[in-house]
Amino acid sequence: DAMVIQNPRYQVTQFGKPVTLSCSQTLNHNVMYWYQQKSSQAPKLLFHYYDKDFNNEADTPDNFQSRRPNTSFCFLDIRSPGLGDAAMYLCATQGDSNEKLFFGSGTQLSVL
Amino acid sequence: DQQVKQNSPSLSVQEGRISILNCDYTNSMFDYFLWYKKYPAEGPTFLISISSIKDKNEDGRFTVFLNKSAKHLSLHIVPSQPGDSAVYFCAASAGNYGQNFVFGPGTRLSVLP
Repeated sequence: DAMVIQNPRYQVTQFGKPVTLSCSQTLNHNVMYWYQQKSSQAPKLLFHYYDKDFNNEADTPDNFQSRRPNTSFCFLDIRSPGLGDAAMYLCATQGDSNEKLFFGSGTQLSVL
Repeated sequence: DQQVKQNSPSLSVQEGRISILNCDYTNSMFDYFLWYKKYPAEGPTFLISISSIKDKNEDGRFTVFLNKSAKHLSLHIVPSQPGDSAVYFCAASAGNYGQNFVFGPGTRLSVLP
């Protein structure tokens, strides 16, 4: 089945130790999004790609970077994780003719 | 400032009864609304949507109502089933593009057997 896959499901890192989260999709969608969701809060958009065009939200910290080497893959790099970065990170895709977002299962990040 | 509000953090309903989840928004430019359902340790899954040109959209047990003048929408689930227990997110956008989607904080629905 076509889907959005996030790895790993759970990630534990140490304070200040770089970490990379990955997302892949078989939907061949042009647009990919990264959201951060903390407990009992709304998902917050960090950035998105339209094809290779990168769009950063104004309030996304510089600590967060992203790469999209091809249509299928997108990575979220957190250069120096802080305790406040512990959250669920959700990847989503959207096609040109689709209105809805397709989400992956998310990666739950813990920072020790 | 929250543009999309879900004022009930949680809701409990008896199996077989109606569940009504509410969502309010402040931006009059929003013209497209979606509901997502999220189980623990899983990503949100799309449930139902409605465009501002309609005031009702129905899909099986799920119906979304939109009241543009009140800037209010609601999701009705009839009859409620235990498998409906999840967190429900309301999202709104001005246009269909995901970068414009604004999510509410969610309502946790518990359907009791």
